[in-house]
Amino acid sequence: AQTVTQSQPEMSVQEAETVTLSCTYDTSENNYYLFWYKQPPSRQMILVIRQEAYKQQNATENRFSVNFQKAAKSFSLKISDSQLGDTAMYFCAFIGAGSYQLTFGKGTKLSVIP
Amino acid sequence: DAGVIQSPRHEVTEMGQEVTLRCKPISGHDYLFWYRQTMMRGLELLIYFNNNVPIDDSGMPEDRFSAKMPNASFSTLKIQPSEPRDSAVYFCASSLAFGFNEQFFGPGTRLTVL
Repeated sequence: AQTVTQSQPEMSVQEAETVTLSCTYDTSENNYYLFWYKQPPSRQMILVIRQEAYKQQNATENRFSVNFQKAAKSFSLKISDSQLGDTAMYFCAFIGAGSYQLTFGKGTKLSVIP
Repeated sequence: DAGVIQSPRHEVTEMGQEVTLRCKPISGHDYLFWYRQTMMRGLELLIYFNNNVPIDDSGMPEDRFSAKMPNASFSTLKIQPSEPRDSAVYFCASSLAFGFNEQFFGPGTRLTVL
């Protein structure tokens, strides 16, 4: 069974600064996909960024980028130029290729301070 | 598209009552998922459907929980009888396919069982 671990229950960052959220996972599969979802106070789960395990290049979406280290089974999220609207819970998630089972970490609560 | 629609957004009921949560997936999505989110257990997959057929309900906690998808546009999650430990946020999500395909989440239903 896959597990996803987010070791930082809470983090804070000053507005306009950069913050990195950590995520590690455990799997015996070679092909899989990784995701970061954002859950603001509105409760809506929103996809932030995703990475295919067979791609070495790290995914980037505007201010959001990942550092994917397959050998270390690490998938961290970097948020640049943090904005107040980035305040939310962030969930790392794993899914095996061809699988329906999206496994989530317990989340990191990020607060952006003005 | 309006996205995944869930109703009600909030539900407060008394122990022993029947509760029905509703979901309308994104048109054209073949997969529908029901998740439960609690502080203790995080996000858990309860059941998923493919083309209106329940494929895996191993995450359904007890026989008190049941889910149906009578057509491609509508699904229900029913709890009968409800118990205080069922209090949680219930999410419905839909996707085009497995794996790398994004699961689009609804806004969730916050259920409180007194």
